[in-house]
This record gives sequence, C-alpha cells and structure tokens, in this order.
Amino acid sequence: DTGVSQDPRHKITKRGQNVTFRCDPISEHNRLYWYRQTLGQGPEFLTYFQNEAQLEKSRLLSDRFSAERPKGSFSTLEIQRTEQGDSAMYLCASSPSGQGASEAFFGQGTRLTVV
Amino acid sequence: SQKIEQNSEALNIQEGKTATLTCNYTNYSPAYLQWYRQDPGRGPVFLLLIRENEKEKRKERLKVTFDTTLKQSLFHITASQPADSATYLCALRRVDSGYALNFGKGTSLLVTP
Repeated sequence: DTGVSQDPRHKITKRGQNVTFRCDPISEHNRLYWYRQTLGQGPEFLTYFQNEAQLEKSRLLSDRFSAERPKGSFSTLEIQRTEQGDSAMYLCASSPSGQGASEAFFGQGTRLTVV
Repeated sequence: SQKIEQNSEALNIQEGKTATLTCNYTNYSPAYLQWYRQDPGRGPVFLLLIRENEKEKRKERLKVTFDTTLKQSLFHITASQPADSATYLCALRRVDSGYALNFGKGTSLLVTP
C-alpha cells in the first residue's frame, strides 16, 4: 500500500503523559500536513511542512505540541503533558509539490483518548 | 475571519434520488474549492476540485458547481446509493497559506434503500 500511513491507530494515555505519533507520507510527496478532528467537526489545521521545513503553524498548536520532519520523509507529532482536551483524531496528509492546486491524501488517523 | 458553512443537519434521502449538499463561505476569495468524503473512523478521501473559472465539474455520478459571486458551492450525487452514505466535507485553501486547507464541519448523508 503506497498511501499515507499513520501509527498508532489508537492511543489511550493518562493525563499528563507524553505521546508521539508518526506519519509516513506518500514517498514522492514533499508537502505534509497535520490536522486535528473532534467529533462533529471538520479537520482543523495544525501545521505544514515543505520537505523538512516547518512553514506554518496554527495557533491551535500550543507550546505542548511539537512536530518534526527530519530529512523530509516521515513526520512525528508529539504532545507533552496531555490534557483531556487533547482527545481527538489526529490526521496526517500529504500532497505533491508544484504550483497550483492539488488534492490532499489523508492517512487513517490516530485516535487519541486522554483519561 | 474566514468561515466555511455546511448544512449541520444530516441529509436523509431515498436511494435513487439526487442528494444536494451546500457549502457557503465568507471572507475568502478562493482560487479553487475541494470536496472530500469521510467515513466513520477514517481519514477524508478527495473527490473533486473545482477552480474559480469553472462553473461546473462532473465525475461519474458527482457534480459540483462553484458560484464565486454567491460564495457558494453545491455538491450533487445523482442516482444515490446506500454506499454513498458518509460525511461530505467542503475545503478551501487557507488564506496566506502554503497549500493547507480549511474545512467545513461536513454534512452527513444517509441514503436509505
């Protein structure tokens, strides 16, 4: 399968713990995005990478959140000192480079539950 | 601020009928608009992209219109089937962004036999 892969699919953690999610984009895509989705809402943008450079961060991305994309390949999203409000589906997407519009390819998401 | 509004109420229709979903936006001047399908517990899947200079776009049983004057897009599914039941999301490129998207809340469609 050459689609976007996310790991783990589900994560249950206790409040205050740190968690890390991984995203493997489609190999030839150099744009990578993280979104967060809660029940009944559409995906909300968190951050965007072009290759290894993090070019944009949403104000939703508090100091407890950090994302990396070393070598412009896979990406990780870490949440420190998790809070119950962090419970959500975390989606990763990638798209090809080039000018103009292009579709985003999404992974299946990581569902985080903070208890 | 930029807003994307989709029908919050679920749309229930009978198999074989045409489903029409609405996406309205404010404080955008988008060059293009996208529609995605999302099934429960899964990531969104791209369906169609329509550019500002295109009034209408079709793909099999799907049709999208884009009226930049009304700031509205309509998404039609003709000859609907129970397998079309899902949530449909409208998305616009974030202003002053690279290529990240802002999404509406989505409209849930239920097609009954």
